Amino acid sequence: RKEVEQDPGPFNVPEGATVAFNCTYSNSASQSFFWYRQDCRKEPKLLMSVYSSGNEDGRFTAQLNRASQYISLLIRDSKLSDSATYLCVVNPRGETGNQFYFGTGTSLTVIP
Amino acid sequence: DTEVTQTPKHLVMGMTNKKSLKCEQHMGHRAMYWYKQKAKKPPELMFVYSYEKLSINESVPSRFSPECPNSSLLNLHLHALQPEDSALYLCASSQGLLRRTSGNTIYFGEGSWLTVV
Repeated sequence: RKEVEQDPGPFNVPEGATVAFNCTYSNSASQSFFWYRQDCRKEPKLLMSVYSSGNEDGRFTAQLNRASQYISLLIRDSKLSDSATYLCVVNPRGETGNQFYFGTGTSLTVIP
Repeated sequence: DTEVTQTPKHLVMGMTNKKSLKCEQHMGHRAMYWYKQKAKKPPELMFVYSYEKLSINESVPSRFSPECPNSSLLNLHLHALQPEDSALYLCASSQGLLRRTSGNTIYFGEGSWLTVV
């Protein structure tokens, strides 16, 4: 079983739409959770960390559900510039704390 | 802007060549990483250095040889590569905490595009 599972999409949505991505992880002891954004032919960049209480940054909201072992990313009022691949990343505790597990990435295209 | 810098940005090499990719970070991070990424795939871990010691080698072929000269620098030496090794090579760093008292976040360099001909 993969450490992190993510729907690869693609998601094609019109401008102004709300879109949500989910990601599940297998290791219940995982400690830290992140969403990264990767543009075509660029490196992954940290979009936001994900906390148990949920966190919001402008149009972006991230949620963590430890009981069900999934994280989500909600994008409201989608912009053309949101088109990218969104990677879910999980970091476990303990001795493997320097290991980061990546989802396959979800491709988003925002259409005019 | 990324605080992890990689050189060169683009590299074309023949299958008999020897070349190196270089990476530098000045964030005081103690873990450094090499990832390989092919088109439409997530980054694939190759090596992890923790406190300048190799801690993870994901069964990478010996034609890739990592080196960590100090806590800020990471090299990837390339020799006798194959065309299928053509990819984006990403260097990254994280706090690399030995005692997990807080979160550990990974930051990537812009990558080195490698083409093997």
